Amino acid sequence: KAGVTQTPRYLIKTRGQQVTLSCSPISGHRSVSWYQQTPGQGLQFLFEYFSETQRNKGNFPGRFSGRQFSNSRSEMNVSTLELGDSALYLCASSLEGQGATSQETQYFGPGTRLLVL
Amino acid sequence: DQQVKQNSPSLSVQEGRISILNCDYTNSMFDYFLWYKKYPAEGPTFLISISSIKDKNEDGRFTVFLNKSAKHLSLHIVPSQPGDSAVYFCAAPEESNYQLIWGAGTKLIIKP
Repeated sequence: KAGVTQTPRYLIKTRGQQVTLSCSPISGHRSVSWYQQTPGQGLQFLFEYFSETQRNKGNFPGRFSGRQFSNSRSEMNVSTLELGDSALYLCASSLEGQGATSQETQYFGPGTRLLVL
Repeated sequence: DQQVKQNSPSLSVQEGRISILNCDYTNSMFDYFLWYKKYPAEGPTFLISISSIKDKNEDGRFTVFLNKSAKHLSLHIVPSQPGDSAVYFCAAPEESNYQLIWGAGTKLIIKP
């Protein structure tokens, strides 16, 4: 079974631009979560999608948005990029995504490393 | 305010010895904790978990200890192997939506 894939793996943008990142979950998984990881910080939760609906949202500004398609693939978009948006963006998929122990069966992709200049 | 803290950014241990990674938390409502391991250029992978009704959980070379009164948990790896070199994160699910609150991670280096 193929794992979680993320594209692109690396990206360089300049301030003010916008960017779209893509995540393809494991086949059959309906929950996709997005995280931001910056140096010295743990993963910060951005949002979670389940069956094309945003189910949970973290504390990020509205410049960060996402969506999920009927095949469970998900995209996240960051508009008006700032230098502080430089980070590793990880997505994770799981079957249902609910419940504390469901986190054990959450599978992460390798991430997209975004550099904003 | 960081609810999950890993105060050691890095740790170096001799191969064959015990590695002890520490994690502190501030939210007394947390009742479930997870450890993840992350290699460079890969996403984190689940390693081991512990529920607050236990004070120890063991899986092969990995043991997690929970001290609820001190709001502290630790991951013990014994014996440490070169393949254990990675960044280790502890995390706890929020009680409202089960989304994970993560520590900043500890980079473990196993020296041959």
